[in-house]
Amino acid sequence: NAGVTQTPKFQVLKTGQSMTLQCAQDMNHNSMYWYRQDPGMGLRLIYYSASEGTTDKGEVPNGYNVSRLNKREFSLRLESAAPSQTSVYFCAGKEGRRETQYFGPGTRLLVL
Amino acid sequence: AQTVTQSQPEMSVQEAETVTLSCTYDTSESNYYLFWYKQPPSRQMILVIRQEAYKQQNATENRFSVNFQKAAKSFSLKISDSQLGDTAMYFCAFMNQGAQKLVFGQGTRLTINP
Repeated sequence: NAGVTQTPKFQVLKTGQSMTLQCAQDMNHNSMYWYRQDPGMGLRLIYYSASEGTTDKGEVPNGYNVSRLNKREFSLRLESAAPSQTSVYFCAGKEGRRETQYFGPGTRLLVL
Repeated sequence: AQTVTQSQPEMSVQEAETVTLSCTYDTSESNYYLFWYKQPPSRQMILVIRQEAYKQQNATENRFSVNFQKAAKSFSLKISDSQLGDTAMYFCAFMNQGAQKLVFGQGTRLTINP
């Protein structure tokens, strides 16, 4: 099993450009999450999907949209990137029985 | 609001020593889960250990163990026989049972010196 995978690993955008971060998991997790990590800080929840077909806002949703394409895939879209969105983005899936989240390797995003 | 506090921004020990990382949290709930995650320079978030609040027995995973004090809302991580590969940021995290949000502390940067 690959676990949780994310693409791309690194991306540079100009202010105003759009892009979609992709996340996929093969661990049969019902719940999936998008976090951002800024320098010197822990992770903050952007959006989550408790099950296929549902999405909800987290702590810092402004400037982002998400799509739960199917049980395996959960994408994060930046419609008009801003320098404040420069961060490392992590996707995670949750093992329901153990209430434990497992993370992908992260996407480093730089917005100029 | 639920919060997690890690009071030690940085720690440094010699290889083979034992080190303890502190974490306190705040919640009004009685059922919840606590976690320690390790983030090495690769930035991957790796689960180290988890604890269920209803279990009195402290969790152990090989060289890693926790001291869970529910009344004090304290959840420290002990690393025994520390190794160079333990060098990383360590994050304490908390989640109420049935909730979706994992609340993280700000992290402790641990350096293991040869």
